[in-house]
Amino acid sequence: EPEVTQTPSHQVTQMGQEVILRCVPISNHLYFYWYRQILGQKVEFLVSFYNNEISEKSEIFDDQFSVERPDGSNFTLKIRSTKLEDSAMYFCASSESGLGQEYSNQPQHFGDGTRLSIL
Amino acid sequence: AQKITQTQPGMFVQEKEAVTLDCTYDTSDPSYGLFWYKQPSSGEMIFLIYQGSYDQQNATEGRYSLNFQKARKSANLVISASQLGDSAMYFCAMREGPQQAGTALIFGKGTTLSVSS
Repeated sequence: EPEVTQTPSHQVTQMGQEVILRCVPISNHLYFYWYRQILGQKVEFLVSFYNNEISEKSEIFDDQFSVERPDGSNFTLKIRSTKLEDSAMYFCASSESGLGQEYSNQPQHFGDGTRLSIL
Repeated sequence: AQKITQTQPGMFVQEKEAVTLDCTYDTSDPSYGLFWYKQPSSGEMIFLIYQGSYDQQNATEGRYSLNFQKARKSANLVISASQLGDSAMYFCAMREGPQQAGTALIFGKGTTLSVSS
């Protein structure tokens, strides 16, 4: 079964450094997402991406964050000037294309996550 | 106000018994979708089951079923014949509006299920 893959599984970075988290969505999916989960807390939406542009973003997704689809398969999340509070599990997800009721039941498929630790 | 409320921080069940995990939601949008995800201790998020706001019947997927009570705005997950491998965190999530490009999922705080032998 196709799956969303994320690399690395664990990233340790010094505070203030930039980090890039990578994701390969499921190949026929056109909607991509990033979520984060601070340890012990609920999953929070960061951003969604469609047709090479951001379609929705949360208050968390400020100028420190950016997303990119550099080629036909990868989807990246860049975090600049990392802070201690950026430590979290970051999940990439993807879902199929289409609008309307016939696609309304399509779930977002999540990768296994990247655990980001800021020291 | 919380959009998704899961009132049970932890639940305990014996193997082979059924368990119900509660989820209530809050939305004024007539079109929405409700999802349940399982997160084992290894951390990945696994999609379990979906219920659409216009679906006439409760969703079922193998041992998982969804007790959808629209008037009460509840979408409880029922796991039948619990197995040790069901021990995990379970999240209820909602997508408001019809499937649009990049609609975010709103998650509850989760319920930790522990299955004992």
